[in-house]
Amino acid sequence: KNEVEQSPQNLTAQEGEFITINCSYSVGISALHWLQQHPGGGIVSLFMLSSGKKKHGRLIATINIQEKHSSLHITASHPRDSAVYICAVRAPTGANNLFFGTGTRLTVIP
Amino acid sequence: DTEVTQTPKHLVMGMTNKKSLKCEQHMGHRAMYWYKQKAKKPPELMFVYSYEKLSINESVPSRFSPECPNSSLLNLHLHALQPEDSALYLCASSPGTAYGYTFGSGTRLTVV
Repeated sequence: KNEVEQSPQNLTAQEGEFITINCSYSVGISALHWLQQHPGGGIVSLFMLSSGKKKHGRLIATINIQEKHSSLHITASHPRDSAVYICAVRAPTGANNLFFGTGTRLTVIP
Repeated sequence: DTEVTQTPKHLVMGMTNKKSLKCEQHMGHRAMYWYKQKAKKPPELMFVYSYEKLSINESVPSRFSPECPNSSLLNLHLHALQPEDSALYLCASSPGTAYGYTFGSGTRLTVV
């Protein structure tokens, strides 16, 4: 069983829709990362969270440490948001590594 | 400079070739990572360098040989690869364990 589970695996939305991607994890963590990867490309770090909520432009990330759950929201989605969104967690003790979820492939249709 | 630069962007090599992938950052980050990513899969950790010393080697075959000549540069030397080693190789860096990561755009490797 993967330590990090994401849902949905695939998501298609109309431009302008509000989008939510979920991430659940089973291990203790020191931080959770949301990453974006465009087709064939490198990875962009969107957020690093250890508690609460962060907002950057149309993107909002929340985390509930007690429930071991995080969500990534995109408001007023746009075709350029089409990408794979990956949740990754860092274990708390000494580990200098990320455990990755399998990603959510988002397609936003004009 | 807030980027991790990887070269080359694409590489095609035969199974008997020797080649190297290069990763460079000038952000003063002391941890650098190599990841391997197959299509439609999440990245898999290969190696971690911390303060220019190899700290994690995730049981990677010896045909992959990492090198960290200085705090800004990370190499991955490739020798006698197999077709199943074809993948996107990503480099990342971070200031330390309590900080976020910066990823490079990757080298897409094809072994023929």
